[in-house]
Order: sequence, then structure tokens, then C-alpha cells
Amino acid sequence: DAGVIQSPRHEVTEMGQEVTLRCKPISGHNSLFWYRQTMMRGLELLIYFNNNVPIDDSGMPEDRFSAKMPNASFSTLKIQPSEPRDSAVYFCASRRTNEQYFGPGTRLTVT
Amino acid sequence: AQTVTQSQPEMSVQEAETVTLSCTYDTSENNYYLFWYKQPPSRQMILVIRQEAYKQQNATENRFSVNFQKAAKSFSLKISDSQLGDTAMYFCAFMRSNAGNMLTFGGGTRLMVKP
Repeated sequence: DAGVIQSPRHEVTEMGQEVTLRCKPISGHNSLFWYRQTMMRGLELLIYFNNNVPIDDSGMPEDRFSAKMPNASFSTLKIQPSEPRDSAVYFCASRRTNEQYFGPGTRLTVT
Repeated sequence: AQTVTQSQPEMSVQEAETVTLSCTYDTSENNYYLFWYKQPPSRQMILVIRQEAYKQQNATENRFSVNFQKAAKSFSLKISDSQLGDTAMYFCAFMRSNAGNMLTFGGGTRLMVKP
């Protein structure tokens, strides 16, 4: 079992650029979650999908953020345009029963 | 809305000793799950232990055990025989059983195990 896979592990970009974070959930898991972790706000749920359908995106900060899950094995989180306050660690997690398993995270730095 | 509170921002323990991390939560739900996650310096979030609210028996996973007090809405984590590899941030998390399985996290406790 490869676990949840995220790429890239680190991303440094300039303000105004588009950023795309990628996630491959554990095979057989039917729910996928995107979280953001910052020192100030801790761990926040941004959006989650059940069976590839977005269920709750109330945590998405603003319209600059968008997420897609075109199939059961892939999801993206896009920020366009990026801003310095978007700097954080972004985690993807997947679930089959009642336990969520997290990927290693993507550390995003926007300068 | 659910809230999860971890009142100890930092703790330390000597290697081989026992330490208890506190967590309280607030909910009007009767059916839910509680979790402890460990986040070492590698930043990987690792599930340590899970407790179902309908179970009276406290969960145990090797050196990790919980003290679940449903009436008091308390869910503490006990680490026995602490090891250097236990040094990490520990997050308590709450999940309603019928709301999409979204996790609500506490603010975390930074645990340092000293040799």
C-alpha cells in the first residue's frame, strides 16, 4: 500500500502565479479531503469529495481556490492567482471507513 | 459546531516515563469518533489511535492508550514508556458519525521526549 501520494512536496512560486497541487488517494478509498495547515490557524478543512463529487467546499478561502476530482484516483487543488498569505502546508487525506489517512503534504511558499 | 481544545501547548517527558496529553471537546452529538494524530518533524500526519463514542472501553494501541470520559467530553492520550521517536506534535480530532466524516482538529500539543 503506497499510501496517499502528493506532489510536489515543495513549491516555491511568485505572487500572482498559478499553483496546482496534486493528490492520489489510497486505492479503494471513496472520500478525499484537502486541508491547509498554518501556524496561525492550525489545520483547516478546505474541501472534501465523496465518490469524486464535491460535498462541502465551505472551507475554501475564496474564489482563487478551486479543487477537482476527475476520477477516483486523482485530485487537484489550484490557486490562481497565488498570494503570500497562501503560504502553508497543504495536506490531502483519503478515507474508506472511519479513518482518514494523510499524505505527506505540500509545503507551498509564495513570495 | 464542534470545537476541540488542547490546553497544553507544550509538554516534555523523560525517556521511558509516562505522559498524558489532554483534550476536551464540545458537541451536542451522541454518535461520533475521536482520534489522536501524531505529526513528527517530517510533518507526516500519522493516525495513532481511534475511539468510538458508543464504546465504553478505552482504546489501546501498544504503548498508546486513551481515557475517554464521554460525560465530561474528555479524551486524553497516555503514552507509556516514552521513546525519543515519540517527539512530535499531537493533534486531537473529532468526527461526527453522519456528516461526511469531516475532522475537526485541536490546536495541538508539542511533546518533547528527553533522553
